[in-house]
Amino acid sequence: NAGVTQTPKFRVLKTGQSMTLLCAQDMNHEYMYWYRQDPGMGLRLIHYSVGEGTTAKGEVPDGYNVSRLKKQNFLLGLESAAPSQTSVYFCASSLSSGYTFGSGTRLTVV
Amino acid sequence: GDSVTQMEGPVTLSEEAFLTINCTYTATGYPSLFWYVQYPGEGLQLLLKATKADDKGSNKGFEATYRKETTSFHLEKGSVQVSDSAVYFCALIGDSGYALNFGKGTSLLVTP
Repeated sequence: NAGVTQTPKFRVLKTGQSMTLLCAQDMNHEYMYWYRQDPGMGLRLIHYSVGEGTTAKGEVPDGYNVSRLKKQNFLLGLESAAPSQTSVYFCASSLSSGYTFGSGTRLTVV
Repeated sequence: GDSVTQMEGPVTLSEEAFLTINCTYTATGYPSLFWYVQYPGEGLQLLLKATKADDKGSNKGFEATYRKETTSFHLEKGSVQVSDSAVYFCALIGDSGYALNFGKGTSLLVTP
């Protein structure tokens, strides 16, 4: 089925470790986004991309990096994980105002 | 900047009760407004949307009307079901064009 696929679905990291979350979409959407969801905070935008080779900072970009080398993929990196980055991460893609969300990655940093 | 404020939960209702979840926004120009729903353990799904003043979005018995004069987009349903238990998010896309700006979410629990 067409949509947004996130990998992995769950991950536990130790403080200071690094990892990359992968988001892939097969709808040929130009725009892609990474959000984090925390209890009582809603979803907050980390980084976004308006096309292949472009990235921009969102509301809470510190501690994260992103890359969009191919139009269908949007990678979110944590160089040195901190407990404050424990969260559920959602990727989304959009064409105009029509968003499609992935099913999320639950990350715990201990 | 743009922002969305929605009523805090949790909201607990009996089956067949009337539901209102309040949402107000701050934005320049004419934002597009959305309600998303998140069922337990799942991602977000678009419930309904409205793109201009006085538009009414509707889906699955839920409705919301874009009120420019009160900068509101309240979600309503006449008779809730247990299966409506979820977290509901109000959101907007402002004049910047594409990034969704979310409220903090309202948890709804419907009891039999």
